[in-house]
Amino acid sequence: DIQMTQSPSTLSASIGDRVTITCRASQSISSWLAWYQQKPGKAPKLLIYKASALESGVPSRFSGSGSGTVFTLTISSLQPDDFATYYCQQYYSLWTFGQGTEVEIK
Amino acid sequence: QITLKESGPTLVKSTQTLTLTCTFSGFSLSTSGVGVGWVRQPPGKALEWLAFIYWNDAKRYSPSLKSRLTITKDTPRNQVVLTMTNMDPVDTATYYCTHLDDGPYDHWGQGTLVTVSS
Repeated sequence: DIQMTQSPSTLSASIGDRVTITCRASQSISSWLAWYQQKPGKAPKLLIYKASALESGVPSRFSGSGSGTVFTLTISSLQPDDFATYYCQQYYSLWTFGQGTEVEIK
Repeated sequence: QITLKESGPTLVKSTQTLTLTCTFSGFSLSTSGVGVGWVRQPPGKALEWLAFIYWNDAKRYSPSLKSRLTITKDTPRNQVVLTMTNMDPVDTATYYCTHLDDGPYDHWGQGTLVTVSS
């Protein structure tokens, strides 16, 4: 099984901050990585796929990078609507999610 | 427009079998590359992938839950059914069905909360 580890688990930030979340895979997954945003009581929403491709309709302040085993999600300027929990997911071999990173207001 | 909706019991008892139905629209499960999966999320915890079925009836299961899961599809009715046997209180979670088209899960249902009582 491929394990996905996100860091940090919680991130406190202010409006306008640049925010980076890291996701590490237990083995190489090439670029088969997605990022999701989830708000309380709602289903996850796809933000990024294939490590760096922006899903249609997602603001350009979101970006993804990485390949192999280390990946990052960056929000260039945090907006009020961005306070949420973020999950990475590998889809190289079956599917595995990271444990999530909660972005909270500082 | 792709939509998915989960339905099933909100409360089951320990040892019972859970049957959930995903009813979808906006795509066909006979189209190459398309599939429907199930993901769950215990209250306050992370997402966990459970099972997946492809357009060609290929099925994939979470290794840790494989012995308890069965996924089937009814293509003409646009439905996918997940059964999970021997339910336990730790299986209390919101269960989501999801759509995939040769990539990640790009569409999700609203989810259905299933509570398992002892």
